[in-house]
Amino acid sequence: AQSVTQLDSQVPVFEEAPVELRCNYSSSVSVYLFWYVQYPNQGLQLLLKYLSGSTLVESINGFEAEFNKSQTSFHLRKPSVHISDTAEYFCAVSEIQGAQKLVFGQGTRLTINP
Amino acid sequence: GAVVSQHPSRVICKSGTSVKIECRSLDFQATTMFWYRQFPKKSLMLMATSNEGSKATYEQGVEKDKFLINHASLTLSTLTVTSAHPEDSSFYICSARGEGLTGYTFGSGTRLTVV
Repeated sequence: AQSVTQLDSQVPVFEEAPVELRCNYSSSVSVYLFWYVQYPNQGLQLLLKYLSGSTLVESINGFEAEFNKSQTSFHLRKPSVHISDTAEYFCAVSEIQGAQKLVFGQGTRLTINP
Repeated sequence: GAVVSQHPSRVICKSGTSVKIECRSLDFQATTMFWYRQFPKKSLMLMATSNEGSKATYEQGVEKDKFLINHASLTLSTLTVTSAHPEDSSFYICSARGEGLTGYTFGSGTRLTVV
């Protein structure tokens, strides 16, 4: 079974400051890794994902995440945040084989202050 | 890109009645659909996984007879909350995946309030 731990339930930062949202996972098998964003009363939108290849993956809106196998981490970073980045962020993993269901972390509430 | 439509977005029902939530994949065939429940300020809890044409696989602790899942076609899955009670009030989200695809597309969610 897989598990995901997001160490910070809330992260407040000022606009244009850098941010890192931490994610660690546990799995006995190889996994895919995802970051999703959720705005209030909406479903989840995929931010970025790691399937294979380069361990650094980027989104179109400036976020990036790096897969670190030795530390079983997939931290999300952005060098300069905007007010519009205020949302809930979820890290998730799925097995590469088998049922491939997504297992989510607890979520991190990112609040951008002006 | 892949789109999943979920309806209704909000529903209020009386205690004891049943509510059906639909999840449709609009531009791809969803061989697998997942149903999640999200409590306020909490993460998503997987309720069940359904594959087209077969019975859903429920996660431990989820009542099969209360949360009926049907995945009769490659583009439609439904979740029926039977004999709803106030404790069933929650945000329900579906997710779909197509054959051979590694991505998961989420619906916009349904806010269920049982009064």
